[in-house]
Amino acid sequence: EVQLVESGGGLVQPGGSLRLSCATSGFTFSSYWMSWVRQAPGKGLEWVANIKQDGSEKYYVDSVKGRFTISRDNAEKSLFLQMNSLRVEDTAVYYCAKDVFSVGVVGTTIGTWGQGTLVSVSS
Amino acid sequence: DIVMTQSPDSLAVSLGERATINCKSSQSLLSSSNNKNYLAWYQHKPGQPPKLLIYWTSTRESGVPDRFSGSGSGTDFTLTISSLQAEDVAAYYCLQHYSAPETFGPGTKVDIK
Repeated sequence: EVQLVESGGGLVQPGGSLRLSCATSGFTFSSYWMSWVRQAPGKGLEWVANIKQDGSEKYYVDSVKGRFTISRDNAEKSLFLQMNSLRVEDTAVYYCAKDVFSVGVVGTTIGTWGQGTLVSVSS
Repeated sequence: DIVMTQSPDSLAVSLGERATINCKSSQSLLSSSNNKNYLAWYQHKPGQPPKLLIYWTSTRESGVPDRFSGSGSGTDFTLTISSLQAEDVAAYYCLQHYSAPETFGPGTKVDIK
């Protein structure tokens, strides 16, 4: 069974930092693109970032560029999101997600999601 | 960046009736390499993670009931629930995965009339 378990959320002051982690099991982690998606309170889903199987390609939504860094450890089957210079508007539930298809399939998209971890940015 | 819009913002449908949600992209999502439109649909219920329903416009994810169907091409797409069930009450989002950054539509809330 595929499992994605996020951790690292919490309350932080504006300008602070947090590092989210996503521990995975039940699939060959190193074969999948992985993503972070967030949902602010009362708002819709917002794609945040994704990373290629070997970490060689990373993409970000404009609002987090230069502040957030996505990374992965294939040996530990884990995904990370380093969040710096946090703003009130970064308050959201952050989901870790894996793609539907593994390496070799063109046009794959987000398939399975974790339960999410809440990040609250407030003074 | 590709901008996604959805309509309506919300709708209420009687049990057993059809629900139709529209999604429009600011540019074509059709890939010339494989002739697939890179458009997916997700269902999101409160307190749960989102669930993938459909990818490549019309391919149902494994285990998704066949009352959910997707159609469209280029910039205009539709999710149809042919016979609404009580468990279908949720928010529905389209997602373009044609180019980074990937972008979601604003969502459509579906409720029972």
